[in-house]
Amino acid sequence: DTAVSQTPKYLVTQMGNDKSIKCEQNLGHDTMYWYKQDSKKFLKIMFSYNNKELIINETVPNRFSPKSPDKAHLNLHINSLELGDSAVYFCASSQGVASSSYEQYFGPGTRLTVT
Amino acid sequence: GEDVEQSLFLSVREGDSSVINCTYTDSSSTYLYWYKQEPGAGLQLLTYIFSNMDMKQDQRLTVLLNKKDKHLSLRIADTQTGDSAIYFCAEPDMRFGAGTRLTVKP
Repeated sequence: DTAVSQTPKYLVTQMGNDKSIKCEQNLGHDTMYWYKQDSKKFLKIMFSYNNKELIINETVPNRFSPKSPDKAHLNLHINSLELGDSAVYFCASSQGVASSSYEQYFGPGTRLTVT
Repeated sequence: GEDVEQSLFLSVREGDSSVINCTYTDSSSTYLYWYKQEPGAGLQLLTYIFSNMDMKQDQRLTVLLNKKDKHLSLRIADTQTGDSAIYFCAEPDMRFGAGTRLTVKP
């Protein structure tokens, strides 16, 4: 029944490693997002995909690479992890694109800790 | 600084009203949103207001919009301990405020 799911929920890894976070939505939405929430709870959009096409790509290091194999999935791969990457990463989806009235549904978040 | 600004903390007593304020920058925003984030959880849409409205009421929630001043507020009547959470205002292009941490004391 989960609308937007993310795996893993917790991820602890060492600097320099490569890791992926997966996101799936079963709502039939066209648009998916990745957000980063830092320790101060600031929430920043990173990427947005609409029908598997990248439509928002904020200024993030190119170590972060989103991949959307289909409309229901948007995965986030991070290369050469750094301490500053430690945060909670939220996936979200919506029926329409950003700048519209469509409600976003958020996943539970993945807490990434880089040691 | 943040494009969407909110005060970071608010503490109220149970039963009181809470007012969370937000200042946004994009005058072309068609909708403005309030999201709620409970501890350890994702964000849930609480309510939204269309830009041609001044006020929207939904049970204990009242949203006020002042387009001239680009000011948005969320009032929670009869605040309960279960309302303790972080409240984010957001513009449609996904700019979020920093979030206001509401603490409700019994």
